[in-house]
Amino acid sequence: DAMVIQNPRYQVTQFGKPVTLSCSQTLNHNVMYWYQQKSSQAPKLLFHYYDKDFNNEADTPDNFQSRRPNTSFCFLDIRSPGLGDAAMYLCATSSPGTGNTEAFFGQGTRLTVV
Amino acid sequence: AQTVTQSQPEMSVQEAETVTLSCTYDTSESDYYLFWYKQPPSRQMILVIRQEAYKQQNATENRFSVNFQKAAKSFSLKISDSQLGDAAMYFCAYRRSGNAGKSTFGDGTTLTVKP
Repeated sequence: DAMVIQNPRYQVTQFGKPVTLSCSQTLNHNVMYWYQQKSSQAPKLLFHYYDKDFNNEADTPDNFQSRRPNTSFCFLDIRSPGLGDAAMYLCATSSPGTGNTEAFFGQGTRLTVV
Repeated sequence: AQTVTQSQPEMSVQEAETVTLSCTYDTSESDYYLFWYKQPPSRQMILVIRQEAYKQQNATENRFSVNFQKAAKSFSLKISDSQLGDAAMYFCAYRRSGNAGKSTFGDGTTLTVKP
Protein backbone atom coordinates (compact mmCIF):
# COMPACT_ATOMS: atom_id res chain seq x y z
CA ASP A 1 0.00 0.00 0.00
CA ALA A 2 1.13 3.51 -0.75
CA MET A 3 2.14 5.24 2.42
CA VAL A 4 4.37 7.58 4.38
CA ILE A 5 7.04 5.82 6.39
CA GLN A 6 9.12 7.33 9.14
CA ASN A 7 12.24 5.83 10.59
CA PRO A 8 13.00 5.22 13.31
CA ARG A 9 9.80 5.13 15.35
CA TYR A 10 11.75 5.97 18.49
CA GLN A 11 15.03 7.84 18.66
CA VAL A 12 17.11 8.63 21.71
CA THR A 13 19.88 11.15 21.31
CA GLN A 14 22.27 12.92 23.61
CA PHE A 15 22.03 16.58 24.37
CA GLY A 16 23.90 18.46 21.66
CA LYS A 17 24.53 15.42 19.45
CA PRO A 18 23.28 15.83 15.88
CA VAL A 19 20.42 13.57 14.89
CA THR A 20 18.63 12.85 11.62
CA LEU A 21 15.10 11.63 11.21
CA SER A 22 13.97 10.18 7.91
CA CYS A 23 10.75 10.04 5.97
CA SER A 24 9.90 8.26 2.75
CA GLN A 25 6.74 8.14 0.70
CA THR A 26 5.36 5.98 -2.05
CA LEU A 27 2.49 8.34 -2.87
CA ASN A 28 4.53 10.41 -5.32
CA HIS A 29 3.24 13.57 -3.68
CA ASN A 30 5.08 16.74 -4.51
CA VAL A 31 4.75 18.37 -1.10
CA MET A 32 6.40 17.03 2.06
CA TYR A 33 6.13 18.53 5.52
CA TRP A 34 7.77 18.20 8.89
CA TYR A 35 5.74 18.90 11.99
CA GLN A 36 6.77 18.97 15.63
CA GLN A 37 4.14 17.77 18.07
CA LYS A 38 4.60 18.02 21.81
CA SER A 39 2.47 16.05 24.18
CA SER A 40 -1.28 16.65 23.69
CA GLN A 41 -0.65 19.70 21.54
CA ALA A 42 -1.38 20.62 17.97
CA PRO A 43 1.24 19.74 15.36
CA LYS A 44 3.45 22.72 14.63
CA LEU A 45 4.74 23.07 11.08
CA LEU A 46 8.53 23.44 10.93
CA PHE A 47 8.97 23.59 7.14
CA HIS A 48 7.83 22.06 3.92
CA TYR A 49 9.11 21.26 0.46
CA TYR A 50 7.06 22.03 -2.59
CA ASP A 51 8.92 19.87 -5.08
CA LYS A 52 12.50 21.03 -4.54
CA ASP A 53 11.58 24.41 -3.12
CA PHE A 54 12.24 24.63 0.60
CA ASN A 55 9.87 26.75 2.69
CA ASN A 56 10.83 27.49 6.25
CA GLU A 57 8.34 28.71 8.83
CA ALA A 58 9.33 32.04 10.31
CA ASP A 59 9.56 30.73 13.87
CA THR A 60 11.44 27.51 13.15
CA PRO A 61 14.76 27.60 15.00
CA ASP A 62 17.98 27.48 12.99
CA ASN A 63 18.78 24.28 14.84
CA PHE A 64 16.35 22.50 12.52
CA GLN A 65 17.31 21.81 8.93
CA SER A 66 15.87 19.65 6.20
CA ARG A 67 16.96 17.92 3.03
CA ARG A 68 14.96 16.43 0.21
CA PRO A 69 17.27 14.58 -2.15
CA ASN A 70 14.43 13.27 -4.32
CA THR A 71 10.63 13.08 -4.46
CA SER A 72 10.45 10.07 -2.19
CA PHE A 73 12.70 11.04 0.69
CA CYS A 74 12.91 13.89 3.15
CA PHE A 75 15.15 14.27 6.18
CA LEU A 76 14.96 16.34 9.32
CA ASP A 77 18.32 17.27 10.82
CA ILE A 78 18.57 18.63 14.33
CA ARG A 79 22.05 20.04 14.64
CA SER A 80 22.29 20.38 18.42
CA PRO A 81 19.28 18.88 20.15
CA GLY A 82 18.21 20.45 23.39
CA LEU A 83 15.90 19.06 26.04
CA GLY A 84 13.14 21.24 24.64
CA ASP A 85 13.36 19.47 21.29
CA ALA A 86 12.04 16.23 22.75
CA ALA A 87 8.79 15.67 20.89
CA MET A 88 7.01 13.61 18.28
CA TYR A 89 8.10 14.56 14.78
CA LEU A 90 5.55 13.98 12.07
CA CYS A 91 6.21 13.78 8.38
CA ALA A 92 3.33 14.35 6.01
CA THR A 93 2.72 14.62 2.29
CA SER A 94 0.13 16.11 0.03
CA SER A 95 -0.48 16.75 -3.62
CA PRO A 96 -2.63 19.87 -3.83
CA GLY A 97 -2.40 20.12 -7.58
CA THR A 98 -4.11 16.77 -8.06
CA GLY A 99 -6.97 17.49 -5.72
CA ASN A 100 -5.54 15.65 -2.75
CA THR A 101 -6.20 18.47 -0.39
CA GLU A 102 -5.53 16.60 2.81
CA ALA A 103 -2.23 15.64 4.35
CA PHE A 104 -1.12 12.03 4.65
CA PHE A 105 0.88 11.41 7.80
CA GLY A 106 3.53 8.94 8.79
CA GLN A 107 3.47 7.25 12.17
CA GLY A 108 5.92 9.73 13.59
CA THR A 109 9.29 9.52 15.29
CA ARG A 110 9.34 10.09 19.02
CA LEU A 111 12.57 11.85 19.92
CA THR A 112 13.98 11.69 23.41
CA VAL A 113 16.92 13.89 24.38
CA VAL A 114 19.04 12.74 27.32
CA ALA B 1 -3.14 34.79 10.17
CA GLN B 2 -5.60 31.97 10.33
CA THR B 3 -6.43 30.48 13.69
CA VAL B 4 -8.33 27.34 14.61
CA THR B 5 -9.94 26.96 18.03
CA GLN B 6 -11.17 23.78 19.63
CA SER B 7 -12.80 24.80 22.88
CA GLN B 8 -13.21 21.29 24.29
CA PRO B 9 -9.90 19.81 25.46
CA GLU B 10 -11.67 16.60 26.51
CA MET B 11 -14.97 14.95 25.70
CA SER B 12 -16.47 11.63 26.62
CA VAL B 13 -19.30 9.62 25.15
CA GLN B 14 -21.04 6.38 25.95
CA GLU B 15 -20.61 3.63 23.42
CA ALA B 16 -23.36 3.73 20.77
CA GLU B 17 -24.26 7.32 21.64
CA THR B 18 -23.63 10.47 19.62
CA VAL B 19 -21.07 13.16 20.37
CA THR B 20 -20.28 16.49 18.76
CA LEU B 21 -16.84 18.09 18.76
CA SER B 22 -16.64 21.83 18.23
CA CYS B 23 -14.29 23.85 16.07
CA THR B 24 -14.22 27.50 15.09
CA TYR B 25 -11.77 29.24 12.82
CA ASP B 26 -10.84 32.69 11.76
CA THR B 27 -10.03 33.64 8.20
CA SER B 28 -10.58 36.41 5.70
CA GLU B 29 -10.39 33.99 2.79
CA SER B 30 -13.43 32.74 0.91
CA ASP B 31 -11.89 29.63 -0.62
CA TYR B 32 -10.46 27.08 1.77
CA TYR B 33 -10.70 23.55 3.11
CA LEU B 34 -11.51 22.22 6.54
CA PHE B 35 -10.55 18.85 7.93
CA TRP B 36 -11.01 16.65 10.93
CA TYR B 37 -8.09 14.35 11.67
CA LYS B 38 -8.03 11.49 14.17
CA GLN B 39 -4.89 10.58 16.09
CA PRO B 40 -5.23 7.42 18.22
CA PRO B 41 -2.67 6.92 20.99
CA SER B 42 0.72 6.01 19.53
CA ARG B 43 -0.73 5.73 16.05
CA GLN B 44 -0.62 7.87 12.99
CA MET B 45 -2.90 10.74 12.25
CA ILE B 46 -5.53 9.96 9.66
CA LEU B 47 -8.14 12.01 7.87
CA VAL B 48 -11.69 11.56 9.12
CA ILE B 49 -13.58 13.98 6.95
CA ARG B 50 -13.03 16.95 4.63
CA GLN B 51 -15.18 19.95 3.71
CA GLU B 52 -14.64 22.34 0.83
CA ALA B 53 -15.74 25.85 1.76
CA TYR B 54 -17.46 26.41 -1.57
CA LYS B 55 -19.79 23.48 -0.95
CA GLN B 56 -22.92 24.27 1.00
CA GLN B 57 -23.74 20.63 1.62
CA ASN B 58 -22.28 19.19 4.81
CA ALA B 59 -19.80 16.36 4.30
CA THR B 60 -20.60 12.90 5.64
CA GLU B 61 -18.50 9.75 5.90
CA ASN B 62 -20.43 6.84 7.33
CA ARG B 63 -20.89 7.60 11.05
CA PHE B 64 -19.06 10.91 10.80
CA SER B 65 -20.69 14.12 9.65
CA VAL B 66 -19.98 17.81 9.94
CA ASN B 67 -22.04 20.90 10.55
CA PHE B 68 -20.34 23.58 8.47
CA GLN B 69 -21.55 27.10 9.14
CA LYS B 70 -19.47 29.34 6.86
CA ALA B 71 -20.86 32.65 8.05
CA ALA B 72 -20.29 31.71 11.66
CA LYS B 73 -16.91 30.12 10.83
CA SER B 74 -17.90 27.00 12.66
CA PHE B 75 -17.08 23.41 11.73
CA SER B 76 -18.27 20.78 14.19
CA LEU B 77 -17.85 17.02 13.91
CA LYS B 78 -20.65 14.66 14.84
CA ILE B 79 -19.85 11.03 15.58
CA SER B 80 -22.90 8.80 15.61
CA ASP B 81 -23.11 5.33 17.14
CA SER B 82 -19.76 5.85 18.89
CA GLN B 83 -17.45 2.88 19.03
CA LEU B 84 -14.54 2.06 21.33
CA GLY B 85 -12.22 2.48 18.36
CA ASP B 86 -13.27 6.11 18.03
CA ALA B 87 -11.29 6.96 21.16
CA ALA B 88 -8.53 9.30 20.05
CA MET B 89 -7.41 12.87 19.85
CA TYR B 90 -9.29 14.77 17.17
CA PHE B 91 -7.79 17.76 15.42
CA CYS B 92 -9.65 20.32 13.39
CA ALA B 93 -7.54 21.84 10.62
CA TYR B 94 -7.83 24.66 8.11
CA ARG B 95 -6.07 25.05 4.81
CA ARG B 96 -6.31 28.03 2.49
CA SER B 97 -6.83 27.13 -1.14
CA GLY B 98 -3.63 27.25 -3.16
CA ASN B 99 -1.48 27.36 -0.08
CA ALA B 100 0.71 24.37 -0.89
CA GLY B 101 -1.27 22.30 1.54
CA LYS B 102 -0.07 24.09 4.66
CA SER B 103 -2.63 23.42 7.36
CA THR B 104 -3.31 25.18 10.61
CA PHE B 105 -4.39 22.84 13.39
CA GLY B 106 -6.47 23.38 16.48
CA ASP B 107 -5.18 22.20 19.85
CA GLY B 108 -7.21 19.01 19.69
CA THR B 109 -9.99 17.32 21.61
CA THR B 110 -9.35 14.06 23.42
CA LEU B 111 -12.36 11.80 23.03
CA THR B 112 -12.97 9.00 25.50
CA VAL B 113 -15.53 6.32 24.67
CA LYS B 114 -17.03 4.55 27.66
CA PRO B 115 -18.22 0.95 27.27
